[in-house]
Amino acid sequence: KQEVTQIPAALSVPEGENLVLNCSFTDSAIYNLQWFRQDPGKGLTSLLLIQSSQREQTSGRLNASLDKSSGRSTLYIAASQPGDSATYLCAVSGGSNYKLTFGKGTLLTVNP
Amino acid sequence: NAGVTQTPKFQVLKTGQSMTLQCAQDMNHEYMSWYRQDPGMGLRLIHYSVGAGITDQGEVPNGYNVSRSTTEDFPLRLLSAAPSQTSVYFCASSLGLAGGLNEQFFGPGTRLTVL
Repeated sequence: KQEVTQIPAALSVPEGENLVLNCSFTDSAIYNLQWFRQDPGKGLTSLLLIQSSQREQTSGRLNASLDKSSGRSTLYIAASQPGDSATYLCAVSGGSNYKLTFGKGTLLTVNP
Repeated sequence: NAGVTQTPKFQVLKTGQSMTLQCAQDMNHEYMSWYRQDPGMGLRLIHYSVGAGITDQGEVPNGYNVSRSTTEDFPLRLLSAAPSQTSVYFCASSLGLAGGLNEQFFGPGTRLTVL
Protein backbone atom coordinates (compact mmCIF):
# COMPACT_ATOMS: atom_id res chain seq x y z
CA LYS A 1 0.00 0.00 0.00
CA GLN A 2 1.33 3.40 -1.00
CA GLU A 3 2.11 5.76 1.86
CA VAL A 4 3.01 9.41 1.47
CA THR A 5 4.78 11.35 4.19
CA GLN A 6 5.37 15.09 4.35
CA ILE A 7 7.98 16.67 6.55
CA PRO A 8 7.80 19.00 8.37
CA ALA A 9 4.15 19.04 9.44
CA ALA A 10 4.42 22.78 10.08
CA LEU A 11 6.94 25.45 9.16
CA SER A 12 7.16 29.12 10.09
CA VAL A 13 9.60 31.39 8.26
CA PRO A 14 10.23 35.13 7.90
CA GLU A 15 9.26 36.81 4.66
CA GLY A 16 11.90 36.61 1.92
CA GLU A 17 13.36 33.29 3.00
CA ASN A 18 13.86 30.44 0.53
CA LEU A 19 12.38 27.19 1.80
CA VAL A 20 12.01 23.51 0.96
CA LEU A 21 9.08 21.22 1.66
CA ASN A 22 9.63 17.48 1.56
CA CYS A 23 7.49 14.60 0.38
CA SER A 24 8.38 10.91 0.43
CA PHE A 25 6.49 7.89 -0.85
CA THR A 26 6.96 4.17 -0.29
CA ASP A 27 6.12 2.70 -3.71
CA SER A 28 8.18 4.08 -6.59
CA ALA A 29 5.76 2.70 -9.23
CA ILE A 30 3.98 6.03 -9.73
CA TYR A 31 2.61 7.74 -12.83
CA ASN A 32 3.00 11.28 -11.55
CA LEU A 33 3.30 13.47 -8.49
CA GLN A 34 1.31 16.63 -7.87
CA TRP A 35 1.83 19.45 -5.42
CA PHE A 36 -1.29 21.27 -4.23
CA ARG A 37 -1.96 24.33 -2.14
CA GLN A 38 -4.92 24.52 0.24
CA ASP A 39 -6.01 27.73 1.92
CA PRO A 40 -8.09 27.47 5.14
CA GLY A 41 -11.66 26.41 4.41
CA LYS A 42 -10.97 26.15 0.70
CA GLY A 43 -10.41 23.48 -1.93
CA LEU A 44 -7.11 22.33 -3.39
CA THR A 45 -5.31 24.27 -6.07
CA SER A 46 -2.85 22.40 -8.26
CA LEU A 47 0.61 23.98 -8.27
CA LEU A 48 2.83 21.60 -10.20
CA LEU A 49 2.55 18.16 -11.76
CA ILE A 50 5.65 16.07 -12.46
CA GLN A 51 5.35 13.01 -14.66
CA SER A 52 7.25 9.94 -13.52
CA SER A 53 9.73 10.36 -16.39
CA GLN A 54 10.54 13.96 -15.40
CA ARG A 55 13.00 15.24 -12.82
CA GLU A 56 11.55 18.67 -12.11
CA GLN A 57 8.96 21.29 -12.97
CA THR A 58 9.02 25.04 -12.43
CA SER A 59 6.31 27.67 -12.16
CA GLY A 60 7.30 31.16 -11.15
CA ARG A 61 8.92 31.04 -7.70
CA LEU A 62 8.09 27.34 -7.30
CA ASN A 63 10.30 24.44 -8.30
CA ALA A 64 9.40 20.82 -7.69
CA SER A 65 11.82 17.95 -8.09
CA LEU A 66 11.20 14.22 -8.27
CA ASP A 67 13.56 11.34 -7.52
CA LYS A 68 11.37 8.35 -8.20
CA SER A 69 13.97 5.73 -7.39
CA SER A 70 14.44 7.07 -3.87
CA GLY A 71 10.76 7.92 -3.41
CA ARG A 72 11.27 11.62 -2.78
CA SER A 73 10.06 14.97 -3.99
CA THR A 74 10.82 18.49 -2.85
CA LEU A 75 8.96 21.74 -3.37
CA TYR A 76 11.26 24.75 -3.35
CA ILE A 77 9.70 28.16 -2.76
CA ALA A 78 11.94 31.12 -3.51
CA ALA A 79 11.66 34.50 -1.80
CA SER A 80 8.65 33.51 0.30
CA GLN A 81 5.80 36.00 0.81
CA PRO A 82 3.00 36.18 3.41
CA GLY A 83 0.58 35.24 0.61
CA ASP A 84 2.35 31.87 0.38
CA SER A 85 0.94 30.94 3.78
CA ALA A 86 -1.20 27.83 3.28
CA THR A 87 -1.10 24.06 3.61
CA TYR A 88 0.91 22.33 0.89
CA LEU A 89 -0.05 18.79 -0.06
CA CYS A 90 1.70 16.31 -2.27
CA ALA A 91 -0.05 13.39 -3.94
CA VAL A 92 1.19 10.49 -6.04
CA SER A 93 -0.76 8.68 -8.72
CA GLY A 94 -0.32 4.95 -9.12
CA GLY A 95 -1.90 1.51 -9.17
CA SER A 96 -4.41 -0.08 -11.52
CA ASN A 97 -6.96 2.69 -10.90
CA TYR A 98 -4.43 5.53 -11.02
CA LYS A 99 -5.49 6.36 -7.47
CA LEU A 100 -4.14 9.55 -5.92
CA THR A 101 -2.58 9.02 -2.50
CA PHE A 102 -2.11 12.17 -0.47
CA GLY A 103 0.28 13.18 2.24
CA LYS A 104 -1.09 14.97 5.30
CA GLY A 105 0.42 18.27 4.28
CA THR A 106 2.82 20.91 5.53
CA LEU A 107 1.29 24.01 7.11
CA LEU A 108 3.43 26.95 6.00
CA THR A 109 3.31 30.33 7.72
CA VAL A 110 5.31 33.20 6.23
CA ASN A 111 5.64 36.06 8.70
CA PRO A 112 5.85 39.69 7.48
CA ASN B 1 -15.83 28.16 -17.37
CA ALA B 2 -16.80 27.48 -13.74
CA GLY B 3 -14.45 24.49 -13.27
CA VAL B 4 -15.61 22.04 -10.58
CA THR B 5 -18.62 23.16 -8.56
CA GLN B 6 -20.07 21.56 -5.43
CA THR B 7 -23.34 22.10 -3.59
CA PRO B 8 -24.18 22.62 -0.83
CA LYS B 9 -21.21 24.31 0.86
CA PHE B 10 -22.41 23.39 4.33
CA GLN B 11 -24.87 20.76 5.57
CA VAL B 12 -26.00 19.50 8.96
CA LEU B 13 -27.76 16.13 9.13
CA LYS B 14 -29.19 13.99 11.86
CA THR B 15 -28.08 10.39 12.20
CA GLY B 16 -30.01 8.19 9.78
CA GLN B 17 -30.92 10.93 7.32
CA SER B 18 -29.97 10.63 3.68
CA MET B 19 -28.72 13.28 1.31
CA THR B 20 -26.94 13.85 -1.98
CA LEU B 21 -23.84 15.97 -2.44
CA GLN B 22 -23.75 17.47 -5.91
CA CYS B 23 -20.68 17.82 -8.09
CA ALA B 24 -20.50 19.20 -11.61
CA GLN B 25 -17.71 20.13 -14.00
CA ASP B 26 -17.82 22.00 -17.30
CA MET B 27 -14.40 20.99 -18.64
CA ASN B 28 -15.55 17.81 -20.42
CA HIS B 29 -13.41 15.74 -18.09
CA GLU B 30 -13.81 11.97 -18.19
CA TYR B 31 -12.37 11.21 -14.75
CA MET B 32 -14.21 12.35 -11.62
CA SER B 33 -13.72 11.38 -8.02
CA TRP B 34 -14.86 12.03 -4.47
CA TYR B 35 -12.55 12.45 -1.48
CA ARG B 36 -13.13 13.07 2.17
CA GLN B 37 -10.69 15.08 4.27
CA ASP B 38 -10.42 14.49 7.99
CA PRO B 39 -7.98 15.98 10.51
CA GLY B 40 -4.92 13.78 10.87
CA MET B 41 -6.08 11.43 8.08
CA GLY B 42 -5.42 13.44 4.95
CA LEU B 43 -7.59 13.04 1.86
CA ARG B 44 -9.00 9.60 1.16
CA LEU B 45 -10.67 8.41 -2.04
CA ILE B 46 -14.32 7.37 -1.67
CA HIS B 47 -15.47 6.58 -5.22
CA TYR B 48 -14.34 7.44 -8.70
CA SER B 49 -15.61 7.31 -12.28
CA VAL B 50 -13.67 6.95 -15.52
CA GLY B 51 -16.62 8.03 -17.67
CA ALA B 52 -20.40 8.15 -17.90
CA GLY B 53 -21.90 4.90 -16.69
CA ILE B 54 -18.66 3.63 -15.10
CA THR B 55 -17.91 3.92 -11.39
CA ASP B 56 -15.69 2.10 -8.94
CA GLN B 57 -14.85 2.06 -5.26
CA GLY B 58 -11.95 3.85 -3.68
CA GLU B 59 -10.37 3.46 -0.27
CA VAL B 60 -13.38 4.25 1.96
CA PRO B 61 -16.60 3.49 0.01
CA ASN B 62 -18.82 2.13 2.79
CA GLY B 63 -21.95 4.19 3.42
CA TYR B 64 -21.72 6.04 0.10
CA ASN B 65 -23.24 5.49 -3.34
CA VAL B 66 -22.42 7.14 -6.66
CA SER B 67 -23.69 7.09 -10.21
CA ARG B 68 -22.54 8.83 -13.37
CA SER B 69 -25.30 9.33 -15.92
CA THR B 70 -23.64 12.28 -17.67
CA THR B 71 -20.05 13.42 -18.23
CA GLU B 72 -20.73 16.63 -16.27
CA ASP B 73 -22.28 15.35 -13.04
CA PHE B 74 -21.09 12.97 -10.33
CA PRO B 75 -23.35 13.04 -7.25
CA LEU B 76 -22.41 11.36 -3.97
CA ARG B 77 -25.25 9.87 -1.93
CA LEU B 78 -25.18 9.20 1.78
CA LEU B 79 -27.71 6.47 2.39
CA SER B 80 -28.05 6.68 6.19
CA ALA B 81 -25.80 9.33 7.68
CA ALA B 82 -23.61 8.45 10.66
CA PRO B 83 -21.49 10.74 12.89
CA SER B 84 -18.38 9.05 11.42
CA GLN B 85 -19.28 10.68 8.10
CA THR B 86 -18.75 14.16 9.51
CA SER B 87 -16.04 15.48 7.21
CA VAL B 88 -15.19 17.82 4.38
CA TYR B 89 -15.98 16.30 1.00
CA PHE B 90 -14.14 17.24 -2.17
CA CYS B 91 -14.98 16.42 -5.73
CA ALA B 92 -12.20 16.37 -8.32
CA SER B 93 -11.93 15.89 -12.05
CA SER B 94 -9.28 15.41 -14.69
CA LEU B 95 -9.20 15.02 -18.43
CA GLY B 96 -8.40 11.32 -18.11
CA LEU B 97 -7.09 8.90 -15.53
CA ALA B 98 -4.86 10.44 -12.89
CA GLY B 99 -1.67 9.48 -14.65
CA GLY B 100 0.71 11.17 -17.02
CA LEU B 101 -0.21 14.77 -17.61
CA ASN B 102 -3.69 14.53 -16.17
CA GLU B 103 -3.85 17.33 -13.65
CA GLN B 104 -6.53 17.01 -10.99
CA PHE B 105 -8.91 19.95 -10.45
CA PHE B 106 -10.75 20.18 -7.15
CA GLY B 107 -14.05 21.76 -6.14
CA PRO B 108 -14.41 24.08 -3.12
CA GLY B 109 -15.73 21.32 -0.84
CA THR B 110 -18.84 20.53 1.19
CA ARG B 111 -18.58 20.65 4.97
CA LEU B 112 -20.90 17.99 6.41
CA THR B 113 -21.78 17.57 10.07
CA VAL B 114 -23.79 14.57 11.22
CA LEU B 115 -25.32 14.90 14.68
